[in-house]
Amino acid sequence: DGGITQSPKYLFRKEGQNVTLSCEQNLNHDAMYWYRQDPGQGLRLIYYSQIVNDFQKGDIAEGYSVSREKKESFPLTVTSAQKNPTAFYLCASRARGYEQYFGPGTRLTVT
Amino acid sequence: GQSLEQPSEVTAVEGAIVQINCTYQTSGFYGLSWYQQHDGGAPTFLSYNALDGLEETGRFSSFLSRSDSYGYLLLQELQMKDSASYFCAVSTYSGAGSYQLTFGKGTKLSVIP
Repeated sequence: DGGITQSPKYLFRKEGQNVTLSCEQNLNHDAMYWYRQDPGQGLRLIYYSQIVNDFQKGDIAEGYSVSREKKESFPLTVTSAQKNPTAFYLCASRARGYEQYFGPGTRLTVT
Repeated sequence: GQSLEQPSEVTAVEGAIVQINCTYQTSGFYGLSWYQQHDGGAPTFLSYNALDGLEETGRFSSFLSRSDSYGYLLLQELQMKDSASYFCAVSTYSGAGSYQLTFGKGTKLSVIP
């Protein structure tokens, strides 16, 4: 079955540590996105990538970094510079149309 | 920048019809999408409007007026499973074949018996 996987579902880290969230897709989509969702809020775009080895900052990129070495993979690193990293992180991909397909998300808690 | 406004909460009775409105301010507008998200789950795509008018997909319909920067999602024959958050999102073109989605804050729909 084609889809997007994110792991782990829940992640706990201590303040000051960097953490990398995984996102893998087997839909053969070119575009991939990372969003952050806080309670009662909409999704805010962190980074996006249209093709391998290329990515652009979204609206809230500070404190985050990404890589796109393979078409299937778009990992997100939450660095210690991110002031409020606790959130629900969603990865998505898009083919040539307008519909974005979302992974199940990773809920990150930093204490 | 982009901004979207939608009601934060709506309550409706099972079997009834509910309309969720969305107004937006944006540059480089391409289209308006609607996504559904159940608690703790991932958003799933419902509909997309690029042109003025009504798009119908089963019990769900979506409307767009580009001149009014306004759209709505219409849910008919409400079922308990329709209780979820509904997000409108504007698509904008950011160059080199790149499209972005900007989401509203979502409308929490509660369907009651």
